[in-house]
Amino acid sequence: DAKTTQPNSMESNEEEPVHLPCNHSTISGTDYIHWYRQLPSQGPEYVIHGLTSNVNNRMASLAIAEDRKSSTLILHRATLRDAAVYYCILRDGDFGNEKLTFGTGTRLTIIP
Amino acid sequence: DAGVIQSPRHEVTEMGQEVTLRCKPISGHNSLFWYRQTMMRGLELLIYFNNNVPIDDSGMPEDRFSAKMPNASFSTLKIQPSEPRDSAVYFCASSTGGLFNYGYTFGSGTRLTVV
Repeated sequence: DAKTTQPNSMESNEEEPVHLPCNHSTISGTDYIHWYRQLPSQGPEYVIHGLTSNVNNRMASLAIAEDRKSSTLILHRATLRDAAVYYCILRDGDFGNEKLTFGTGTRLTIIP
Repeated sequence: DAGVIQSPRHEVTEMGQEVTLRCKPISGHNSLFWYRQTMMRGLELLIYFNNNVPIDDSGMPEDRFSAKMPNASFSTLKIQPSEPRDSAVYFCASSTGGLFNYGYTFGSGTRLTVV
C-alpha cells in the first residue's frame, strides 16, 4: 500500500483557517486521497476525499497538488469542536480492494 | 438513518471467556470492516467483507479471533478464549465500496476490557 506522511501534531487558533498537510509521493493513478478525523472517545468520521481535482464540502476543502504527491486539508474557520486526530489515507479505487489503512495521523489542537 | 450500530458499548470479561461483538451496518452498504484500536498500535484493520463474503482477514491476530457476516444486516466478531492483551476499542464500519469510493461510516465502538 502507498504510504502517507503527516506531522504528528499541529496547533491553531480558534476561528482561524487550518491547513493540514499530507505527503504521498508513491501514490498510484488509482489511489483516492481520503481524510478522516477522530474526535475524542468517538469512532473515525469521514471528512472528504478526492482523486485529482480540488474538492469542497460542508466540512472542509481538499487541495490536491498537480502531481498528486501531496495534498492539504483546509478547515476554513476552526472551532474547538475541530480538535481531533486527522488521518490522511490512500485508498485503492479498484473494486474488491477498498480497505483503508490508518496511519498515526495529525493531532490538531485548537487554542481558544 | 441510525448509522452503524455496535453492541455492546462496553464489555468487561474475565480471561478465558468467550466474547462476541456485534455490528449492524447501514442498510444498502455492501462492505463491512472490523477495526481494533489501542494506544500502542493505533487503528488496525482486522477483516473486511464485500457482499457478506470475507475478502481479507490478514489482520486477524490469531485463531482465537473469528468473524462472520451471515447476512447483509449483521456481523459478529468473536474472541475465544479472550486474553488481557485483547483489551481495546473495536470499531465496525460500513461503506458502499466499489467504483464510487464513498467514505466509511464508523460505529461508536465497543470498549473491551479483559481482566
